[in-house]
Amino acid sequence: AQKITQTQPGMFVQEKEAVTLDCTYDTSDQSYGLFWYKQPSSGEMIFLIYQGSYDEQNATEGRYSLNFQKARKSANLVISASQLGDSAMYFCAMRENNAGNMLTFGGGTRLMVKP
Amino acid sequence: AAGVIQSPRHLIKEKRETATLKCYPIPRHDTVYWYQQGPGQDPQFLISFYEKMQSDKGSIPDRFSAQQFSDYHSELNMSSLELGDSALYFCASSLGRGTSGKETQYFGPGTRLLVL
Repeated sequence: AQKITQTQPGMFVQEKEAVTLDCTYDTSDQSYGLFWYKQPSSGEMIFLIYQGSYDEQNATEGRYSLNFQKARKSANLVISASQLGDSAMYFCAMRENNAGNMLTFGGGTRLMVKP
Repeated sequence: AAGVIQSPRHLIKEKRETATLKCYPIPRHDTVYWYQQGPGQDPQFLISFYEKMQSDKGSIPDRFSAQQFSDYHSELNMSSLELGDSALYFCASSLGRGTSGKETQYFGPGTRLLVL
């Protein structure tokens, strides 16, 4: 079974609007971390935001926020005020703390920001 | 701020040749991870090292080996290269091996390997 599912292969958003990228996960661990990374066309993998399973508050980092719904096992990324430079591939990833320190990635969502 | 350095950035090899990829973690980071990203795929974990010892092992082929040196840099050695090894190889580093769950992995720019 897929551990991380990103159901939106591609999305368009108008510049300056907000957009939500979906991520659901599957784990039996109580302790885990969820991460979002951005991969522009140049290929590098840029860390955006982290949410721990025991964190009570939703994580925020500048224009990025995480809508964490633990009971539903979802960790959606919200990007506010989209910019043209936000056009990229976005990956959701999970680390299960009792299963080693590797990240398991979802299939990614390609976001395209329209001017 | 200093980032993870990978070299070379691009590499072209023939089938059955060998390749060595190098990774220099962020200063003070003690854990290094290797990931492989095939075309149009998500990154797949290969192997990690903490304090120069192998920490976790993922889907790394037996033809590949890796180590972390005393200065914390790491090398991924790939032998008997196959066409299917063509991919983007990422190295990531973190401070701590993830036992608290909060250690973020910061990725390097990747080495793009093409096997002909």
